[in-house]
Amino acid sequence: GQNIDQPTEMTATEGAIVQINCTYQTSGFNGLFWYQQHAGEAPTFLSYNVLDGLEEKGRFSSFLSRSKGYSYLLLKELQMKDSASYLCAVIAGSARQLTFGSGTQLTVLP
Amino acid sequence: GAGVSQSPSNKVTEKGKDVELRCDPISGHTALYWYRQSLGQGLEFLIYFQGNSAPDKSGLPSDRFSAERTGGSVSTLTIQRTQQEDSAVYLCASSLGGWGEQYFGPGTRLTVT
Repeated sequence: GQNIDQPTEMTATEGAIVQINCTYQTSGFNGLFWYQQHAGEAPTFLSYNVLDGLEEKGRFSSFLSRSKGYSYLLLKELQMKDSASYLCAVIAGSARQLTFGSGTQLTVLP
Repeated sequence: GAGVSQSPSNKVTEKGKDVELRCDPISGHTALYWYRQSLGQGLEFLIYFQGNSAPDKSGLPSDRFSAERTGGSVSTLTIQRTQQEDSAVYLCASSLGGWGEQYFGPGTRLTVT
């Protein structure tokens, strides 16, 4: 089976930087996704990491270490609209579906 | 269409009744997925289609749940004899295939009373 862990809640201040960690245990790792989900809405894609290293996309960056089973999502210059749940998901083995962590609820304070 | 669409957006049903949920994937996407999200829980995989076939049904929680896909496009998820624990948001996603990015629809909120 697969096990994905991420913090339940985080709080940060507008304009700051926040790092959301995700650790996973799986066999046959094929890739890791980060999604953003606002309350009552569908998840929206943020990033996809397959190889080790940092992927930067505007204010958002995602890092992966396959040997450590570890990823983080870095959000810079936080805005109030970044308040949402951030979901870490892994794809592994022959499966095509995503296995999600429980999500990290980020609250951005003024 | 521009994105994945699902209908109905909300469904309230009495315990024991059957319900059908519909998903229209992005045109040209061969892979289609059903997930559900219960209150305060993460997304739980239900079933995956590649074309019209379902190579992975491992996530269906019981034999009351079934799904089909026709014409490589629209999919319906059927829940028979609904139970209160079936109450959740049912999300559909599609992708071009393989291990690529999945695009999610807005979901159907099912409430079983």
